[in-house]
Amino acid sequence: KNEVEQSPQNLTAQEGEFITINCSYSVGISALHWLQQHPGGGIVSLFMLSSGKKKHGRLIATINIQEKHSSLHITASHPRDSAVYICAVSRLSSGSRLTFGEGTQLTVNP
Amino acid sequence: GAVVSQHPSRVICKSGTSVKIECRSLDFQATTMFWYRQFPKQSLMLMATSNEGSKATYEQGVEKDKFLINHASLTLSTLTVTSAHPEDSSFYICSASPGQGFQETQYFGPGTRLLVL
Repeated sequence: KNEVEQSPQNLTAQEGEFITINCSYSVGISALHWLQQHPGGGIVSLFMLSSGKKKHGRLIATINIQEKHSSLHITASHPRDSAVYICAVSRLSSGSRLTFGEGTQLTVNP
Repeated sequence: GAVVSQHPSRVICKSGTSVKIECRSLDFQATTMFWYRQFPKQSLMLMATSNEGSKATYEQGVEKDKFLINHASLTLSTLTVTSAHPEDSSFYICSASPGQGFQETQYFGPGTRLLVL
């Protein structure tokens, strides 16, 4: 079993839909990261969370430390949101090294 | 936000040659830099962690003599793939962190696509 698991693996939505991507982890963490990887390969750090909720534009990330679960929400999705979304954790025992989930391929159709 | 660059963005080389990839933090000092490899449809795999002025720490299964890492300054780390073979063809990504704290954001480079013929 992977230490960081994401669901779903693939997600197809229509433009405007509300999207949720889930991440569960099984290790003690100091922070959880949501990353976005574009088709060309470049990676952007969207959020770093250690508790509660963060919002940036149409993106919202939440984390429940007790349940070891995080969600990434996209409101009013747009085709340009199509990308791979990766959940990664900084383990308590590993400093700033990240442990990655497998990623969620999101496709938003116009 | 902070910017990390990589050079080259794409390289094609013959089997047996060595390839150097540079990773630069453009607007901050990177105490720690990470090198990752990503095969198609797979997640990132950490290869090594480098701290400025000290030897890199390699992940299990990564040959340190094949993947030479030099973190010579607070803004530059290099990865040299020595005697490259077709199985080394992959997408190599670096990231940089300003510090060694547990809650440091990592800033990723745009990646280098290596094809070994």
